[in-house]
Order: sequence, then C-alpha cells, then structure tokens
Amino acid sequence: AQSVAQPEDQVNVAEGNPLTVKCTYSVSGNPYLFWYVQYPNRGLQFLLKYITGDNLVKGSYGFEAEFNKSQTSFHLKKPSALVSDSALYFCAVRDHGSSNTGKLIFGQGTTLQVKP
Amino acid sequence: KAGVTQTPRYLIKTRGQQVTLSCSPISGHRSVSWYQQTPGQGLQFLFEYFSETQRNKGNFPGRFSGRQFSNSRSEMNVSTLELGDSALYLCASSPNRATNEKLFFGSGTQLSVL
Repeated sequence: AQSVAQPEDQVNVAEGNPLTVKCTYSVSGNPYLFWYVQYPNRGLQFLLKYITGDNLVKGSYGFEAEFNKSQTSFHLKKPSALVSDSALYFCAVRDHGSSNTGKLIFGQGTTLQVKP
Repeated sequence: KAGVTQTPRYLIKTRGQQVTLSCSPISGHRSVSWYQQTPGQGLQFLFEYFSETQRNKGNFPGRFSGRQFSNSRSEMNVSTLELGDSALYLCASSPNRATNEKLFFGSGTQLSVL
C-alpha cells in the first residue's frame, strides 16, 4: 500500500537558519511527489513537485526539495528561514501510472515554527 | 483568475441532520476532488469527479456522496451526520486528470457536528 511518513510533528528553527522538513514514502512504481503548505484557516497551497529529472527541485517562496530514490525520501529545505514560513507542511504522493489520478496520499503534516 | 471557491465557510449541524457543501473549481478545470481534514486522521481522500462522473472513491461510508455538474461545479453531501464527521472539508481542482498535475485547493468548509 502506498504511504507517506513525516516523522516530525514539529520542527523549530531560528529565523535566518536553514530548515529541513522530512518526508519518506512507500509506493509501487515511480512516485510523483508533492509538497503543500497550509496557513491557519486556509486551504493547501502548492510548493513544489518531483515528477522526473533532476533530484533537486526548486519551488515557491525559496523552498526546494531533494528526491532520494535509494532512501525513498523527499525532504523539504530552505537555506534561510523566515518567520512568515511558520505553517503546516504536508508531503504527498501520487503513484505514477495509477488510475487514481485525483487521489493524493498525504503525510500527517509537520508544523514548522520559525522564531525571530 | 478566481481560485477554488467553497461555500459555506462554516457550518454547524446536529447529529442526524444532513449537509451539502459546494465547490466551484477554477475556470477551465474539469477535475474536482474532495478531502476531509481532521486533527486525528489528517487529510483523507473522499472522492474525485471528472466530466460529471465519479472516478475514484476513498474509504468512507455511503453517507458521504457527491456529484459534479456540467459546469464542473461539485457538491458533496453527508447524510445522518455523526459527531466524528466534524472536520474541515477541502475541495481541490485541476485541469485534467494527469498524474503530474498539481491540485489547487479551496479554503475549505469547516463543519461542526453537535
């Protein structure tokens, strides 16, 4: 069965420091991986995706993610955190070639807290 | 271009009642999917509609249903509400059903069942 794991419920980082939000996945076949962010009382906003190609994917708001097939990971990173990055982050996967094209499987979410 | 619009924003119902939530996708988007978000279960897939047909369904009881109209707008219905149905219900749209497409989410409908 397909699954996504975000091992940390919360990540705390000081403003200006680099941040990493971890994600590992388990799928059959090639994964299509996504990161979304959710601000309070809002829906999810797309940050970036990995479909194929370069393992380092760049996305919105200065975020990037590194796809590692051998470790089945897709960690979200940012070189310098901002207080405004504080939010709930979700990793998601959609199985390439699956008929479930509208279905995303989400991790449990990681709350990122950036302190001034 | 307007984003995904969900109405109402908040709903308060009592056990046993039924509720209908509405979703208007981004203009030109033909695929609409629904997700339930709760603190305990996280984000769970409810169903997906494309061209007025349900294409996929998540693991939810038959009390949860939906439909899509010819203009791609979608509604979901929950009958015989239970306390556990309290959640944020999110609608998402995409142009087609390509697996590499990102989803555009609405702000959700917060349903409270008393």
